[in-house]
Order: sequence, then structure tokens, then C-alpha cells
Amino acid sequence: SYELTQPPSVAVSPGQTASITCSGDKLGDKYACWYQQKPGQSPVLVIYRDSRRPSGIPERFSGSNSGTTVTLTISGTQVMDEADYYCQAWDSSTYVVFGGGTKLTVL
Amino acid sequence: QVQLVESGGGVVQPGRSLRLSCAASGFPFITYAMHWVRQAPGKGLEWVATISFDGSKNLYADSVKGRFSISRDISKNTLYLQMNSLRNGDTAVYYCARPKNSGSDMWNYGMDVWGQGTTVTVSS
Repeated sequence: SYELTQPPSVAVSPGQTASITCSGDKLGDKYACWYQQKPGQSPVLVIYRDSRRPSGIPERFSGSNSGTTVTLTISGTQVMDEADYYCQAWDSSTYVVFGGGTKLTVL
Repeated sequence: QVQLVESGGGVVQPGRSLRLSCAASGFPFITYAMHWVRQAPGKGLEWVATISFDGSKNLYADSVKGRFSISRDISKNTLYLQMNSLRNGDTAVYYCARPKNSGSDMWNYGMDVWGQGTTVTVSS
């Protein structure tokens, strides 16, 4: 079955750039998206098709896809960005696949 | 506004059944495939099942295949998840979610509308 791997945690200081990676076999051949989930809340789509932002998502959120890794980048990270982040892709055998999630701490 | 509202969660004994519902509003339900995603306590997101826009094709995660069944009632704008032979490992918050795109390439657009979730606890 297809798997996506994320680091369990990432820490960043306010105003700095946070990068969260997600790796998988031939991930560069697929499209990935990213979700933000704050405690007690439902997930929110922040990036789709690797790098597109849904309406209402701040410009500081961006995404990229390179080879076997996709990256979510948050520029000028704010305290309000502290949350769990999940990557997700589609695979022909496993269908919808989520990464294990990364807890972003802003301190 | 676009909204998904789940219901039907509760506490159930192992081996028993439960049916979840997801009421959709604010968008043309008939044109969108729909997903169920769950999240065990303190764990990450896990895809459960997907149904095509017309209900002709269903996909399931291996962990629920043969036990869960996804369906939809277009006349009621409602999505269902019938869960049979429940196990302790099925304990989770269950979300229904809508793909961002209603076309054939919806898989590449992610899920942009989520319900608030309904909690299922399987325990003796």
C-alpha cells in the first residue's frame, strides 16, 4: 500500500519560515494537498494540486512538489498557524492516502 | 452556505452496527462524489470510503472493506456510512467531506468542505 511520511513535529519562531515535508514513492508523479487542523476542529484545506491556495487561505501558505517530496511552506509564520498539518495524495491502489501529520509549534 | 452535518455517532459494543448520516446543503449534492474520513483519539486522519456522484462506484480502505458500506440518498441530500461488525479500533471521530472539484479529476483537488464530525466509541 502507498504511504506518505511526515516529520512528527516542526518548531519555528514567530515571523520565521516553516517548512513541512511529506515524502512518498514517486510522489512527484502525483498531486498533493495539505490540510491544517487545530485542536477540536475539523481539517481545513490550505493547499491543493501541490501549490494552489483555496480562496480565503493567506498568501503566506505555499506548496511545492519535487521528486519524492512535497513541501508546505509558511512564510512569516504566525502564532495562529500553530496546528497539525497533514499531506494527502491519491494513489491508484490505495486511493486516498494521508500522511501521519506534523505538529507545528510556533514559539 | 455550503454545509455538511454529521449525525448518528454514539457508544456501541464490539460486533454491533451503527449508521452515520451526513446532511449536505448549499451545493448541488448530486454532482459531487463524497468521502468519509475518520480520526482515532490522538491520531491522524484516515480515509474510510468514497462514493461516486451517482452512487455507481464505491471505494473502501482495506481496514473497513467488507464491514462498512457507503451510500447516498439524492432526494434527501444525505450521505450514509453503514458500519457493521464494529471493532475497538473503529473508535474515532468520523467526518464526511466534499471534494473541491466535482469532475473526474477530483482526486487531485483535495477536500474543501468538512463536517464537524460525529464520535463513534466501540467499547464493551
